[in-house]
Amino acid sequence: KQEVTQIPAALSVPEGENLVLNCSFTDSAIYNLQWFRQDPGKGLTSLLLIQSSQREQTSGRLNASLDKSSGRSTLYIAASQPGDSATYLCAVMNRDDKIIFGKGTRLHILP
Amino acid sequence: DVKVTQSSRYLVKRTGEKVFLECVQDMDHENMFWYRQDPGLGLRLIYFSYDVKMKEKGDIPEGYSVSREKKERFSLILESASTNQTSMYLCASSLNPGAAFFGQGTRLTVV
Repeated sequence: KQEVTQIPAALSVPEGENLVLNCSFTDSAIYNLQWFRQDPGKGLTSLLLIQSSQREQTSGRLNASLDKSSGRSTLYIAASQPGDSATYLCAVMNRDDKIIFGKGTRLHILP
Repeated sequence: DVKVTQSSRYLVKRTGEKVFLECVQDMDHENMFWYRQDPGLGLRLIYFSYDVKMKEKGDIPEGYSVSREKKERFSLILESASTNQTSMYLCASSLNPGAAFFGQGTRLTVV
């Protein structure tokens, strides 16, 4: 059974710092991995999708990497801003098309 | 842009009521999902559908059923609502395989 783990569970960093969020998964037979952002009380916003054949994806200040063989992904946020404060969720799509989530990392950027 | 619309943002229902949560997507996606999200437990998959009239149980299907009579609509049914079903419910859709897109969520309170 696929299990997705995100470390750390919470993180506070001063504005302007670069930071890395980690995600690991137990079964490497995946179609893709997706990073989401969730603001309190809201739905999920897709940030980046990495196909299983890809190593990384970039969007603006965000860069996500995927090492499928080791079951790891990282989300790198450059030059963090207070508006980046949110919960970040990692999810994998298994070969049976089910999408399994980690519990998320709560990020707080200190002004 | 993909749009996933959940019928209600907030619902309050009484114990024992039959509750319908509706979700509609406008991008002709094969896959649709229902999750519930609870503090400390993350997003847990309730049911998944990969085609019209097709469904698969997720990790926590007990107390729930689903209906997918049309490709764009996926309904979650609580046959007899209980207080432990108070939660945030999130609907998503995706291609087979592909990125997942989420609705805004329905916060259900059962009293």
